[in-house]
Amino acid sequence: AQSVTQPDIHITVSEGASLELRCNYSYGATPYLFWYVQSPGQGLQLLLKYFSGDTLVQGIKGFEAEFKRSQSSFNLRKPSVHWSDAAEYFCAVGAASSGSARQLTFGSGTQLTVLP
Amino acid sequence: EAQVTQNPRYLITVTGKKLTVTCSQNMNHEYMSWYRQDPGLGLRQIYYSMNVEVTDKGDVPEGYKVSRKEKRNFPLILESPSPNQTSLYFCASSLTRGPQETQYFGPGTRLLVL
Repeated sequence: AQSVTQPDIHITVSEGASLELRCNYSYGATPYLFWYVQSPGQGLQLLLKYFSGDTLVQGIKGFEAEFKRSQSSFNLRKPSVHWSDAAEYFCAVGAASSGSARQLTFGSGTQLTVLP
Repeated sequence: EAQVTQNPRYLITVTGKKLTVTCSQNMNHEYMSWYRQDPGLGLRQIYYSMNVEVTDKGDVPEGYKVSRKEKRNFPLILESPSPNQTSLYFCASSLTRGPQETQYFGPGTRLLVL
């Protein structure tokens, strides 16, 4: 079964600083990888996803993520953080396991605080 | 506007009093699911449905029921709520059950069981 680890429970950065949120996954085949963002009081919104091809994926709101198979990682990055980026971020892996209709397994989330 | 709606958004109830949280989507999606979100645990799937009258258990189905009589609706039923079901609940839908599909989430229902 697939699993996702987000090692950082909480990250604090200053506005304008760069950001990297870590995500490691466990899955036997090529995974489908996602980053979702949850703003306070809101549902989850897709930031970006990776299936195949170019390992550097561009998403909305200036975010990007890089798939590294050798490290089983899919880290999320942004060169310059804005105060509005303060939210909780979830990495998820989708797997087409035979006999399973489960779609996504989520990590436990990383809470991002942005200092003025 | 394409969306997933949930009602109610906030609910306080007492142990044992049956409740239903409604979920509706207007995108003609086949796949719908319910998640609960708890601090430090991320989102865990409770139940899912691949289409009308087709439902199955997710990772944490105990104490919950669902039904899918219409494609657009997927209510979550707690027959006898207990305090350990206090949580934030999300309904989600996607076009199909394929692992590559983007899931669209409702705004969430915050439930407190006393």
